Formats: sequence, structure tokens, C-alpha cells
Amino acid sequence: AQKVTQAQTEISVVEKEDVTLDCVYETRDTTYYLFWYKQPPSGELVFLIRRNSFDEQNEISGRYSWNFQKSTSSFNFTITASQVVDSAVYFCALTSPGGSSNTGKLIFGQGTTLQVKP
Amino acid sequence: DAGVIQSPRHEVTEMGQEVTLRCKPISGHNSLFWYRQTMMRGLELLIYFNNNVPIDDSGMPEDRFSAKMPNASFSTLKIQPSEPRDSAVYFCASSPGTWFTTNEKLFFGSGTQLSVL
Repeated sequence: AQKVTQAQTEISVVEKEDVTLDCVYETRDTTYYLFWYKQPPSGELVFLIRRNSFDEQNEISGRYSWNFQKSTSSFNFTITASQVVDSAVYFCALTSPGGSSNTGKLIFGQGTTLQVKP
Repeated sequence: DAGVIQSPRHEVTEMGQEVTLRCKPISGHNSLFWYRQTMMRGLELLIYFNNNVPIDDSGMPEDRFSAKMPNASFSTLKIQPSEPRDSAVYFCASSPGTWFTTNEKLFFGSGTQLSVL
């Protein structure tokens, strides 16, 4: 069975601090995809990144960066120089292409609530 | 593009009443999903359609829940009769292609906040 664990329920930082959100996943599939979504206070889920299991290169997008390590089954998300607008719930998610283990389920972690204080 | 459109944004109803949630996916997207979000269970997939055909409805809680997709631009999620434990935010999402093979990103609607009293 697939599983995503976001051990940090809530994180509070002061603006301009760097913050890392942890994500640990479990899967028996060799091909899989990992995602991060952001849910701001307005409620909608916003896509941030999609990464396949064969690409372990770290990715940077502005103040956001992601560290994918298959050896530790982790896909951590770092926000550099956090801002108040980064306050949201962040979800890590996992899926695999169609087959015996998947018919379309995107498995979400429980989410990490990030509060950035001014 | 208008994105995934859900209606209503908020629904308050009394136990036993029928509730219908509506979703218009992004034009051209072949895959449509209904998710439910609660504090206790997080985000759960209820049902997944591909090309208007239900592919996986194993997440539908019980017979009180039903979903339809009569055409590529419209889907409904119906609860009849509704119960207080159905109170949650219901999200519709769509994705291009045949999602369970492409695993492209999902585009989510703004959700429907359902309160069953």
C-alpha cells in the first residue's frame, strides 16, 4: 500500500526565516510520482511541483526548493526567506501509473500548516 | 481558462435532505475526480472518471453517495439522504489525458463547504 507521512502538523516561523516541510513516502512501485500542493486560507488546492521517481535532481523555483532522496524515501520542501503570503497548508502526495496498485488514487499526506508571522 | 468550477461554494442543509454538488471541469480534460476533505481523514478520493466513465469508485463511502458524469463538461455528486457526518469540503479536480497512466497534475476547484445539521 502507498502512504505519505507529513510528521509536522504545524510550523510557525517569523518572516524571512527559512523553513523545511518534511515528506516521507512509502510505495512498492518503481515508477511513481510525487507532488506538492498548497492550500491557502481561501481553500483551493494549488499545484506546486510534480516529480517522477527517476529524476532525483533537486529543483529550485524562486524561493521554493525541493529535495528528493530515494534512499530515504523523502521529498522535502524548503521555503527560503519565508513571507506572510506563504502561510497555508502544504500537502505532499504520491501516485503511480495505472496498474495493479493504482487506478487513479493520488494519496495525500495529512498536510503541514505553515504560519509565517510578520 | 476559467479553471474547474464548482457550485455551490457553501451548502447548509438538514439531515435527511438530498444534496447535489456540481462541477464543471476544465475544457479538454479527460479525467475528473471528486475528493472529500475533513479534519479527521484529510483528503480522500471518492471517485475518478475517465472520459465520463467511472473508473474507481471504491472511495465512495456508502450507497447514499452517487456520482454521475453525463458529458465531458459536467459532473454531479449527490448525497441522499445526507447525514451530519457528511459535513466536509468536497473538491472536484480535473486533469488532461488518461490520468492513471499519465499522472499529470490535478487542477482543483475551490470546493464546496457542506454542512449537514
